[in-house]
Amino acid sequence: KAGVTQTPRYLIKTRGQQVTLSCSPISGHRSVSWYQQTPGQGLQFLFEYFSETQRNKGNFPGRFSGRQFSNSRSEMNVSTLELGDSALYLCASSSGLAGTYEQYFGPGTRLTVT
Amino acid sequence: AQSVTQPDIHITVSEGASLELRCNYSYGATPYLFWYVQSPGQGLQLLLKYFSGDTLVQGIKGFEAEFKRSQSSFNLRKPSVHWSDAAEYFCAVGAMGVASKIIFGSGTRLSIRP
Repeated sequence: KAGVTQTPRYLIKTRGQQVTLSCSPISGHRSVSWYQQTPGQGLQFLFEYFSETQRNKGNFPGRFSGRQFSNSRSEMNVSTLELGDSALYLCASSSGLAGTYEQYFGPGTRLTVT
Repeated sequence: AQSVTQPDIHITVSEGASLELRCNYSYGATPYLFWYVQSPGQGLQLLLKYFSGDTLVQGIKGFEAEFKRSQSSFNLRKPSVHWSDAAEYFCAVGAMGVASKIIFGSGTRLSIRP
């Protein structure tokens, strides 16, 4: 099976812009979770989608949003980018809810906000 | 709500020496426990997981972990480390239920001394 893919791998954006990141899960997986990883804050949970429904959300402002399509592919959007949004954004898929099933991670999208 | 603590930020061990990475969790019911490893520039990979049953869990790459309910711990061990084990290691705790989510520890960076 193909692994989790994330596009693009690298992005440079300017403060105030918006960005959309994409994640294609492993075939058959219905859960997609998003994480933000920074040196200072570590790995922080953004949200989880399961069968096109947001099941869980972390403590991030409303500028961070996501969605999942019927084929389980997911996108996350960050509007009005801030310098502090610079991070590695990781997507993970699992066959069930993330709290109890093994997650398979993609390589991440490195976002730099200038 | 669940939480997880990895008290060691950075550990250095000599190649061939034994390794133990500490993880303490907080959760009222039986937790779902995971150890993931992240090599530089890559996503996370599952090493092992504990849901129930035998408290000593075997994982990939020669790693094992022991669940100790009385100490709320799930420490990761390896009898003899290899230079390729240098990476960041994350302990995570999840829970059952529709509203469950997985919480990651802050990570322990492992360096290997030649």
